[in-house]
Amino acid sequence: GNSVTQMEGPVTLSEEAFLTINCTYTATGYPSLFWYVQYPGEGLQLLLKATKADDKGSNKGFEATYRKETTSFHLEKGSVQVSDSAVYFCALTRYNFNKFYFGSGTKLNVKP
Amino acid sequence: ETGVTQSPTHLIKTRGQQVTLRCSSQSGHNTVSWYQQALGQGPQFIFQYYREEENGRGNFPPRFSGLQFPNYSSELNVNALELDDSALYLCASSLLSGTRSYNEQFFGPGTRLTVL
Repeated sequence: GNSVTQMEGPVTLSEEAFLTINCTYTATGYPSLFWYVQYPGEGLQLLLKATKADDKGSNKGFEATYRKETTSFHLEKGSVQVSDSAVYFCALTRYNFNKFYFGSGTKLNVKP
Repeated sequence: ETGVTQSPTHLIKTRGQQVTLRCSSQSGHNTVSWYQQALGQGPQFIFQYYREEENGRGNFPPRFSGLQFPNYSSELNVNALELDDSALYLCASSLLSGTRSYNEQFFGPGTRLTVL
């Protein structure tokens, strides 16, 4: 089957610290991988994506590399800001399948 | 370009009642998916509509049903509400095309349903 596992939160960091949120997946075939972010009281916003092995998705200083050998898609940012405080979801979908499988989310708290 | 909108924002119902949630898809999109997000959890896929027909369904009972209209807007109907149906219901729209290898989904802000 298809599933996504994320590290449990909350993750609390000081401003300008390095961020890693782990995500591993199980999928048949070759999925596309995504990170979504959810700010309080809002829906999900696409943060970045990667559609094939070794692709690196990046946006707003966040990066994630699609690692087929370790079935991982870890989210990283070199220097977090208070405004990055949110819940981050790792997700996958398969070719033309269109159904997204989400992880349980990781809450990030960044303190000034 | 207008984004995905949902109504109402919040809703309170009692057990056994029925509820209808509405979603307007993003301009140019032809597919709508519905997700249930329980508190502290990731979204769970309910079903998807494409060209006014159901195009995939998750592990939800038949009392969860939907419609898609010619303008690609959609409704989610839940009958015989149970306490566990309390959640944030998210609608996502996308463009389904045979030439693309994946379909990015754009989410609305959600409807918060509370069942008492």
